[in-house]
Order: sequence, then C-alpha cells, then structure tokens
Amino acid sequence: DQQVKQNSPSLSVQEGRISILNCDYTNSMFDYFLWYKKYPAEGPTFLISISSIKDKNEDGRFTVFLNKSAKHLSLHIVPSQPGDSAVYFCAASDIGTYKYIFGTGTRLKVLA
Amino acid sequence: GAGVSQSPSNKVTEKGKDVELRCDPISGHTALYWYRQSLGQGLEFLIYFQGNSAPDKSGLPSDRFSAERTGGSVSTLTIQRTQQEDSAVYLCASSLARQGPNTGELFFGEGSRLTVL
Repeated sequence: DQQVKQNSPSLSVQEGRISILNCDYTNSMFDYFLWYKKYPAEGPTFLISISSIKDKNEDGRFTVFLNKSAKHLSLHIVPSQPGDSAVYFCAASDIGTYKYIFGTGTRLKVLA
Repeated sequence: GAGVSQSPSNKVTEKGKDVELRCDPISGHTALYWYRQSLGQGLEFLIYFQGNSAPDKSGLPSDRFSAERTGGSVSTLTIQRTQQEDSAVYLCASSLARQGPNTGELFFGEGSRLTVL
C-alpha cells in the first residue's frame, strides 16, 4: 500500500507565479515530513521539513503547510523560477521507526 | 569528501551475475538508508541501518538482495543473480539519529545506476 501519495505526476507553472505541490498520507503515526528536489542524474537534495507539532514552516521562497486532520501537506514555491524545474518528492517518517517513506514525485516545469 | 559517496556511479552487468554497490556515508552519521528508483517510479525503500544493525529489512525485494554495514560507516548492497527487473538507480542516504522535531534529514548520494542486460 502506498502510504505517501503524490497524485499529480506533473505540473507546469509560469515563471514568477506560485507553484503548489501536494502530498497525502495515510499513516496517522507519521510525525515528520520532508520535501526533496531531484535533478536528473543527481541524488535528491533536502528542501524543507515540518514536524507534526507545527502547521507551517517557511524558508525563503519555500513554505510547507501541514493539515493533520486531512493528512495532507503542500509545498508552495513563490515566486517560481526556471531553476526550480525538477522532480519534487515528499517523504514522511514515524520517529518510532526512523523509516522514511517517499511519494512517487511530481515533475515541476517552470516556464520562462 | 563532505557528502555521501557511492560507487560505482554506473554498472552494466549481464543477467545472472552478482553486483556490489558501495556507500560511504557522511562521517558521524549513525543512520544509513538504501533506496531504489526504477525508471519512472518513486523512491522505493530497501533497508536502513542504525549503526551496524539493520532494524528494518522489509523493503528488500527478494533474498537475492542483501546489505551489510561495518564499523558504523561503509555499507555494501549486494544483488546476487541479477535480473533485468533489478535495473534501477540505487540511492544511499545517511543521517544523524533523530532526536526530536527538525532533526534527522536524509543526505543522499548521487546514486549507482545499474543496468542488467
């Protein structure tokens, strides 16, 4: 079963506009969530995280929102830049297991 | 180096051969993870180590897959009698032990691309 889901395989956004990437999870024990960015032929790089005690975390152009009741998180990128074009993965973890479960990724394309 | 190092970066092998993939984590990181990304797929969890022990091997696809970690550092993922469906990018990541919120992010290597002919 897919415990972490990214239902949009791809997203296109104009440069300067907001990009919103979504992620849903099913396991209520997850308490830590992360977003990673991956360019072709490179390993994923960490972007931003949020723990279950918060509902928002901001870092520059990147903001992650967590809605625990809906088991949903989203990553907002404002303003979007062509260099943001990559595959974005969300991941979730339960501190009791240290195991990180990744979604299937969303390919973001920012159009100049 | 300062990051997670994986070798080889590319490996082409014939069906039925054994392969070994190596991961050198960031110094001091106690946790080490192996993931696999098949073409067009997401990151599939394989195994993780806390120190030298592997509390969770649940993601290993079959008994042809094994992994070990020695000295709390370098890890080797071994695939015996490779099959074409084993073709994928194998990613290693390491982290400090989680000690509460906002800790324990994974640092990934660049991956080892395995092609089984």
